[in-house]
Amino acid sequence: DTEVTQTPKHLVMGMTNKKSLKCEQHMGHRAMYWYKQKAKKPPELMFVYSYEKLSINESVPSRFSPECPNSSLLNLHLHALQPEDSALYLCASSRGQGYTDTQYFGPGTRLTVL
Amino acid sequence: AQSVTQPDIHITVSEGASLELRCNYSYGATPYLFWYVQSPGQGLQLLLKYFSGDTLVQGIKGFEAEFKRSQSSFNLRKPSVHWSDAAEYFCAVGAATGNQFYFGTGTSLTVIP
Repeated sequence: DTEVTQTPKHLVMGMTNKKSLKCEQHMGHRAMYWYKQKAKKPPELMFVYSYEKLSINESVPSRFSPECPNSSLLNLHLHALQPEDSALYLCASSRGQGYTDTQYFGPGTRLTVL
Repeated sequence: AQSVTQPDIHITVSEGASLELRCNYSYGATPYLFWYVQSPGQGLQLLLKYFSGDTLVQGIKGFEAEFKRSQSSFNLRKPSVHWSDAAEYFCAVGAATGNQFYFGTGTSLTVIP
């Protein structure tokens, strides 16, 4: 099984809402990633978890809060977002951290902030 | 600092024609190089990767890429393009030290009948 799943597929939220994005993998990977991708742009790394500990935070605003409850799950909690946060949010996982391992990507969550 | 350049923002080819997508990187040591493909509204799928060894790498869907150290390039090729190959293609480079990973800006491929 080389699948990374993400829910929901689409999410529309207001600027005062609180919502969460979920990501799951059952490949035994120990590194998980959140990326943000705007239209016609490459993915931008937001967070990296390695062995369930946050190892990289690319200066992401605090309105994005990641959580790794266990080695298979990764959440991204959203609060007080801005319209410019509308994007495709991609989750990925890899066997280990260190960007020499292949990252396996989920299909993404399309987020619209009104 | 590392960087990845994909000089072609958009390429149009006819179905059945050959394809070459360019990728140039800047990195002091031997990089770990990847090509990913993204269909509209989808996640990224790995086509192939190069870490070491044979500089001609075979991937999925009939793609191959050649690592040329002298030119700092890792160009992606396919001898005969299919309409289903229309997508966005990203070259990426990873570093064993410093935990760095960069995507190129991407090349959008259109396939015409």
